[in-house]
Amino acid sequence: SQQGEEDPQALSIQEGENATMNCSYKTSINNLQWYRQNSGRGLVHLILIRSNEREKHSGRLRVTLDTSKKSSSLLITASRAADTASYFCATDAGGGSEKLVFGKGTKLTVNP
Amino acid sequence: DVKVTQSSRYLVKRTGEKVFLECVQDMDHENMFWYRQDPGLGLRLIYFSYDVKMKEKGDIPEGYSVSREKKERFSLILESASTNQTSMYLCASREGGPLYEQYFGPGTRLTVT
Repeated sequence: SQQGEEDPQALSIQEGENATMNCSYKTSINNLQWYRQNSGRGLVHLILIRSNEREKHSGRLRVTLDTSKKSSSLLITASRAADTASYFCATDAGGGSEKLVFGKGTKLTVNP
Repeated sequence: DVKVTQSSRYLVKRTGEKVFLECVQDMDHENMFWYRQDPGLGLRLIYFSYDVKMKEKGDIPEGYSVSREKKERFSLILESASTNQTSMYLCASREGGPLYEQYFGPGTRLTVT
């Protein structure tokens, strides 16, 4: 079952620009997480935002959460070529489940 | 740092073979997961385990089984490999419930011919 859906599917920007990716989900959540995956590698956790938080920062990353719209956004400021990767949102499946449900990801390309 | 290792980065097997994918974590995590990742489909959960000898089916368990005899090791077994099981397989571990981050291994790219 698909919970989070990222938008856009692909994004290409120039180095130094900001990149914004969005995630929408269907059911109530306790938290939402963002992960990065470099090509052909495992996923790396970036940031977790709880349902009672609206915004969170970590270095050049800014995550917002709007539970009324069931959506989140990930902003990467002053992007670098090394930020080129796929970015996934993940939400808990609800109902006390141990599972995280991942979206299909946004493929970000940062051109030098 | 948490380390999650997978036994192989690349694996090529023949149809009908029994395939074992091994995953080991070094942080005493309770929960371990197996996902497969396919283009256009994202990550899909195959099985997870929340304790030794405990397992629970994920979203796509058909054709797979798992084993967790020791806390640090979680094995994915393809009883009789088929070509539609060609995929990237990702293992992950987590300290507690869904409020904790998941740590992923580097992945095993399995090709079944």
